[in-house]
Amino acid sequence: KAGVTQTPRYLIKTRGQQVTLSCSPISGHRSVSWYQQTPGQGLQFLFEYFSETQRNKGNFPGRFSGRQFSNSRSEMNVSTLELGDSALYLCASRLAGEGLEQYFGPGTRLTVT
Amino acid sequence: AQSVAQPEDQVNVAEGNPLTVKCTYSVSGNPYLFWYVQYPNRGLQFLLKYITGDNLVKGSYGFEAEFNKSQTSFHLKKPSALVSDSALYFCAVGSNYQLIWGAGTKLIIKP
Repeated sequence: KAGVTQTPRYLIKTRGQQVTLSCSPISGHRSVSWYQQTPGQGLQFLFEYFSETQRNKGNFPGRFSGRQFSNSRSEMNVSTLELGDSALYLCASRLAGEGLEQYFGPGTRLTVT
Repeated sequence: AQSVAQPEDQVNVAEGNPLTVKCTYSVSGNPYLFWYVQYPNRGLQFLLKYITGDNLVKGSYGFEAEFNKSQTSFHLKKPSALVSDSALYFCAVGSNYQLIWGAGTKLIIKP
C-alpha cells in the first residue's frame, strides 16, 4: 500500500503571499490531520478532517485553513504568509475510530522570505 | 488540562547500552499512548502504542514501552542501543479523538 504523500516537498514564498499544500492519505484512511513542526515550538496540531468535515482544530489563526475532498485527499492553505510560518508541515492519515495510530507523510518544507 | 511531558531534551547513550526515553502524561479517563520516531528530513514513523492490556508493549526496531498507570508514565526502552537509533522521539497521548504531543527527545547513540 502506498504511504501518505505530500506535495510539494519544498516551497519558498514571500511574505504576504498565500500557499496551498496537498496531502493524499493512505488508501482507505478517512481521517487526515495537519501539523506544523518548528525547532522552537515542536509539533503543533493544526486541524483534523474526517469525511470532509473538520473534526478538531488547534490554536492557530484563521489564516490557516483546510479542507478535505470526497476521496479523502486534503489541502491546507495559509494566507498572508508571515516569516514565522516557515516550518515543516506534516500530514498524517489514519483509519476511522479512536486509538488508531497515524501515518505521516514526509512533510512540506515551507520557507517564507 | 491534558498534557504530555518529555522531561529530557536530549539523551546520550553509548552503543550497546540500554536506553530509556521518558514520557509522563496527564489526561482524564483511560488514555491511549504512542511513541513515534523522526529521522532527519523525514516524517514521523509509528513505533508502538498502548491502549489496554499488558503494560509492556513491544514495537518496531526492538523498542518497547512500559505503561505505568500509578506513575502516569510511558517510557520507551531498548535493551541494546544502535547508532542507527539516533533520532528524534515523540510521545503522544490520545483521548476523545485528540492527540497531545510531547516536545520530543533527541536521542544520540555514540559508537
